[in-house]
Amino acid sequence: DTGVSQNPRHKITKRGQNVTFRCDPISEHNRLYWYRQTLGQGPEFLTYFQNEAQLEKSRLLSDRFSAERPKGSFSTLEIQRTEQGDSAMYLCASSLTGSEDQPQHFGDGTRLSIL
Amino acid sequence: QQQVKQSPQSLIVQKGGISIINCAYENTAFDYFPWYQQFPGKGPALLIAIRPDVSEKKEGRFTISFNKSAKQFSLHIMDSQPGDSATYFCAAREQGGKLIFGQGTELSVKP
Repeated sequence: DTGVSQNPRHKITKRGQNVTFRCDPISEHNRLYWYRQTLGQGPEFLTYFQNEAQLEKSRLLSDRFSAERPKGSFSTLEIQRTEQGDSAMYLCASSLTGSEDQPQHFGDGTRLSIL
Repeated sequence: QQQVKQSPQSLIVQKGGISIINCAYENTAFDYFPWYQQFPGKGPALLIAIRPDVSEKKEGRFTISFNKSAKQFSLHIMDSQPGDSATYFCAAREQGGKLIFGQGTELSVKP
């Protein structure tokens, strides 16, 4: 069990560019969640997958955001035409349905800075 | 709409003292209440969690007290240590699985 892995750890980009983040969940975890955390705030839910199916998306997830989990393992989160307000820490978490309490385990996030 | 309200925003405790962080929620459909600890530059790490049919859960120096009728729960850290200095988040889980987090409490334990 190597934990949830996120890459890259930091991303600096110019406004208007596209960025993509990757999350590798704990192996055999069938649920994968994306959250966004801004400075001094708690994480906010963006979307989640059960296996390869995207089951829920937050209103925070505008049309510029898209997430995929094509084979039910790793996931990618893409932001198109980035804006200043997209600067945040993007966190990924995974859990196993059927396990006791199904706790969510988080990665260390990708910090996005928009210049 | 703030579904989970956390207080205080910051807390300073002397080494060996008790740290207490409180949370209140609105949605009675929440089915699981975890607490996370977060250090700078790291993701949240699960500390302890409780289900609403349990009034108290203790793991080492950490205790959750849960008051279902008042829709409140709290984290108590006994014998607080400088290494406990971090930001703590309470959360509540919707039945679909997503977590709703409080605003966080920045704890500082002075030696």
